[in-house]
Amino acid sequence: DTAVSQTPKYLVTQMGNDKSIKCEQNLGHDTMYWYKQDSKKFLKIMFSYNNKELIINETVPNRFSPKSPDKAHLNLHINSLELGDSAVYFCASSPPTSGRAPRLYFGPGTRLTVT
Amino acid sequence: EDKVVQSPLSLVVHEGDTVTLNCSYEVTNFRSLLWYKQEKKAPTFLFMLTSSGIEKKSGRLSSILDKKELFSILNITATQTGDSAVYLCGSGGGADGLTFGKGTHLIIQP
Repeated sequence: DTAVSQTPKYLVTQMGNDKSIKCEQNLGHDTMYWYKQDSKKFLKIMFSYNNKELIINETVPNRFSPKSPDKAHLNLHINSLELGDSAVYFCASSPPTSGRAPRLYFGPGTRLTVT
Repeated sequence: EDKVVQSPLSLVVHEGDTVTLNCSYEVTNFRSLLWYKQEKKAPTFLFMLTSSGIEKKSGRLSSILDKKELFSILNITATQTGDSAVYLCGSGGGADGLTFGKGTHLIIQP
């Protein structure tokens, strides 16, 4: 039944480690996203991925890389984790926009804590 | 760079009060503006506004868009403690996602 799912829900790791977060959607949407939400609830886009076209927010460090094995999955890989990477990461997907802004369907989020 | 500004950033009111949340935007190639409610987990969709002056309504919540002045408001009447949440406003022009404001943290006191 779950529309957009993410694993893991919680991730605690040490600085310098490499980690991945997985995302899957069963809505048949063509576009998927990764958002980062800080402790003040500010939600900022990191990537959008549509039909193999990747749009990157220029402020995202190149330690972050999205990987999409197929249309239903968009994973997030993070190298050399830093303390400032601690946040909640949301995966989202959207149907075709039909000339409108995308309506996002969010996953439950992954709370990443870097120690 | 697209910009969305919400005000107030936080608001505390009593149950039964009416609140108005504000959202202004500067978006290249504007298409729509969306409102989301976030409680403890993921944001959930409230409204999508594309046309100016047409009110969207769902129960005690309503929203309207002014494309000339580049802003939207979200009204909640007869507030209840269950309305306590962060309300997010987002806008965008296409498939590169939504740009969100910093949110309004709304607390409804019994």
